[in-house]
Amino acid sequence: DTEVTQTPKHLVMGMTNKKSLKCEQHMGHRAMYWYKQKAKKPPELMFVYSYEKLSINESVPSRFSPECPNSSLLNLHLHALQPEDSALYLCASSHTGVGVRSPLHFGNGTRLTVT
Amino acid sequence: AQKITQTQPGMFVQEKEAVTLDCTYDTSDQSYGLFWYKQPSSGEMIFLIYQGSYDEQNATEGRYSLNFQKARKSANLVISASQLGDSAMYFCAMREGRIQGAQKLVFGQGTRLTINP
Repeated sequence: DTEVTQTPKHLVMGMTNKKSLKCEQHMGHRAMYWYKQKAKKPPELMFVYSYEKLSINESVPSRFSPECPNSSLLNLHLHALQPEDSALYLCASSHTGVGVRSPLHFGNGTRLTVT
Repeated sequence: AQKITQTQPGMFVQEKEAVTLDCTYDTSDQSYGLFWYKQPSSGEMIFLIYQGSYDEQNATEGRYSLNFQKARKSANLVISASQLGDSAMYFCAMREGRIQGAQKLVFGQGTRLTINP
């Protein structure tokens, strides 16, 4: 079982809806990530939080709004999405610090369909 | 710019055979890390193995080993005694840098491995 839990597993939403994706980890990691993955493509980084502060935003459209309420939780708020935003959204977490040989631990992802 | 190249879009291997998945990378950094992940059709990204640029020995994890050739900038994944459950997409990734302790990974395009019985 994965140690990073994402909910929901599947989400279908209309272009006028507002929804949120949730991610939770209890491994004590202080870095958390959102990736977007289109079919048959590699994951693309969207956002990175380090110590609950946004450290990387890869020029993601404002219709995606991340939030890190505490060190264990990461949310992605969705509003006015487009059909091309349909994808698998992956959350990940990792230890922080130079010299740490820790990989990113990924969740199972949320499969989002925008209609 | 840093880049990861996986030249094999798909591979077909007989069960119990060994398989090598190719990965080359491009970086001007002296310190970097290389990862391999497995992604079954369920979607989860499963960490397999890690190699640091200063590691003198090739990394091994069970049936997985990493053939690290630093001068050639290659980090090939070797799976010994392949099993049907090894069928999945495999991604090579490189740590592009750290920002406030977090890791920025760049992924290759992936190789879809199919194990035939």
